[in-house]
Amino acid sequence: EAQVTQNPRYLITVTGKKLTVTCSQNMNHEYMSWYRQDPGLGLRQIYYSMNVEVTDKGDVPEGYKVSRKEKRNFPLILESPSPNQTSLYFCASSLQQFNSPLHFGNGTRLTVT
Amino acid sequence: QKEVEQNSGPLSVPEGAIASLNCTYSDRGSQSFFWYRQYSGKSPELIMSIYSNGDKEDGRFTAQLNKASQYVSLLIRDSQPSDSATYLCAVMFTGSARQLTFGSGTQLTVLP
Repeated sequence: EAQVTQNPRYLITVTGKKLTVTCSQNMNHEYMSWYRQDPGLGLRQIYYSMNVEVTDKGDVPEGYKVSRKEKRNFPLILESPSPNQTSLYFCASSLQQFNSPLHFGNGTRLTVT
Repeated sequence: QKEVEQNSGPLSVPEGAIASLNCTYSDRGSQSFFWYRQYSGKSPELIMSIYSNGDKEDGRFTAQLNKASQYVSLLIRDSQPSDSATYLCAVMFTGSARQLTFGSGTQLTVLP
């Protein structure tokens, strides 16, 4: 089944404790992206990647890191999480850069205390 | 700053009615437009994509695009309670390296 898989689905952590949210897609998509969703603010892009070893900042990159060493994987790293990073996170992928719809993962609900 | 604006709602319509959802965007040169549906606690799923002016129909859904006026709309005919969700408008702005910008969404409730 074609899908984008995120893990974990739920994560509760404390301020400053490094964490990684994994994202993997099995559709051979070139483009991958991370979004966070907060009430009233909609989906905001954190980072995106157009292909292996090519990443760039979205609208809200502060406090996050990403890497794209393999085409299928695009992990999101929070080196020192803070409470303002409590949010619902979505990974998404699409076949190519333009005019291709995004396929979303199931989301990761992160709480930082 | 490039923006996508939607009425947050909530929008309530009776079952069987037409639901009309609207979206405006700031970049006149934008070329790709998408409507996603998001049920509470779930991930967004694509309903429609539209790239040229006019109407595009898919079952009970019709997307309408007017680039001169910079708006895109989604009509849902014969609305069903299962259509109750948040609808997200997304626009790919020109000059960006694949940066899809989402509106904050319109919450639709279809009353049985």
